[in-house]
Amino acid sequence: GENVEQHPSTLSVQEGDSAVIKCTYSDSASNFFPWYKQELGKRPQLIIDIRSNVGEKKDQRIAVTLNKTAKHFSLHITETQPEDSAVYFCAASIPPDSWGKLQFGAGTQVVVTP
Amino acid sequence: DADVTQTPRNRITKTGKRIMLECSQTKGHDRMYWYRQDPGLGLRLIYYSFDVKDINKGEISDGYSVSRQAQAKFSLSLESAIPNQTALYFCATSDIIAYTQYFGPGTRLTVL
Repeated sequence: GENVEQHPSTLSVQEGDSAVIKCTYSDSASNFFPWYKQELGKRPQLIIDIRSNVGEKKDQRIAVTLNKTAKHFSLHITETQPEDSAVYFCAASIPPDSWGKLQFGAGTQVVVTP
Repeated sequence: DADVTQTPRNRITKTGKRIMLECSQTKGHDRMYWYRQDPGLGLRLIYYSFDVKDINKGEISDGYSVSRQAQAKFSLSLESAIPNQTALYFCATSDIIAYTQYFGPGTRLTVL
């Protein structure tokens, strides 16, 4: 089955710096890759996603890149702010019903220090 | 606003007790999921249902069962709770167009 590895497990950055979280997946048939943000005590919420026919997607200060050949995708947060502090999860769709089920990474705790 | 709700939000129970966690949604989505969250392990899929008559096991279904009572309701049961089922449980929904999963607020379950 699909396996998703996420690194690093914790990430401390200074406010204003960039943060990068990387995930690798095992099944080349996966074709949907969402990223979720979970603030302390809250539910995971989608922040951005990318489909396998796209190499990069941006939304203001966040961007996601996908390398299908290497089977990895990354989340980039620029100009980090204290409100970016949270746990971030990557996920990959699980074939054969690629669009329904997701395999999640273990999460990255991001701490942005003023 | 359309939402996903879960009851109870917190529950403390004893080993061997039967527990039911309930999920309701007003998003009109066909697909519903139950996940378990443990520190350092991410979100692991317990069961999922793509419509009212469809129930499927996920990655960690042992010790759990589910019921899809209606399009909007999906319940998770622990027939005989054990301490290692102590975790945060999330329900999620998705539609068949965007495939984005929307999570409920979670139920924190403690089994003593």
